[in-house]
Amino acid sequence: DAGVTQSPTHLIKTRGQQVTLRCSPKSGHDTVSWYQQALGQGPQFIFQYYEEEERQRGNFPDRFSGHQFPNYSSELNVNALLLGDSALYLCASSDGASAFYEQYFGPGTRLTVT
Amino acid sequence: GESVGLHLPTLSVQEGDNSIINCAYSNSASDYFIWYKQESGKGPQFIIDIRSNMDKRQGQRVTVLLNKTVKHLSLQIAATQPGDSAVYFCAEGYAAGNKLTFGGGTRVLVKP
Repeated sequence: DAGVTQSPTHLIKTRGQQVTLRCSPKSGHDTVSWYQQALGQGPQFIFQYYEEEERQRGNFPDRFSGHQFPNYSSELNVNALLLGDSALYLCASSDGASAFYEQYFGPGTRLTVT
Repeated sequence: GESVGLHLPTLSVQEGDNSIINCAYSNSASDYFIWYKQESGKGPQFIIDIRSNMDKRQGQRVTVLLNKTVKHLSLQIAATQPGDSAVYFCAEGYAAGNKLTFGGGTRVLVKP
């Protein structure tokens, strides 16, 4: 049973560019949440997708957007990259029909903006 | 793998001793609390959770204590092993929301 997978593992972008990160949830899960983890800090909630719609959003600018596909996989898009966007981006999946707090995390995508 | 946290509070513990990691949470409306373990280069791994209607819950070698009066959470690890070396985060959630709010993390170093 595959857990949460994310791609790519590492990514280097230049300021002003755009990036797309991808996540496949754990088998049987239909809800995907995205978090940003700066070095030395805990993860911060970006947004959550359920039934292909954004269900809740954290305190992140509109440069951060997402999408969920019919197969429950999800993408995180960040436009006009800033140096401060350098972080580990984590995807977590859960079962929206049960205790949604039980979120399972993927290994993350390390984004470096130069 | 790269370091998860370079400037986190660090708890050094001798192998075989018990570890206690503390966390203060912020939202009195939170009704669900989780401890995650994060090893270098990996995503957070679920350890144990507790609902707000409980004050103690035990798992395999781990115990979580919840004190709602002072908004404090702790994780006790019995007979700490080298594989327990990691960064530990507490997280809180509440029924009206779907997000988890994470604390700042504590690095645990197990000395052989």
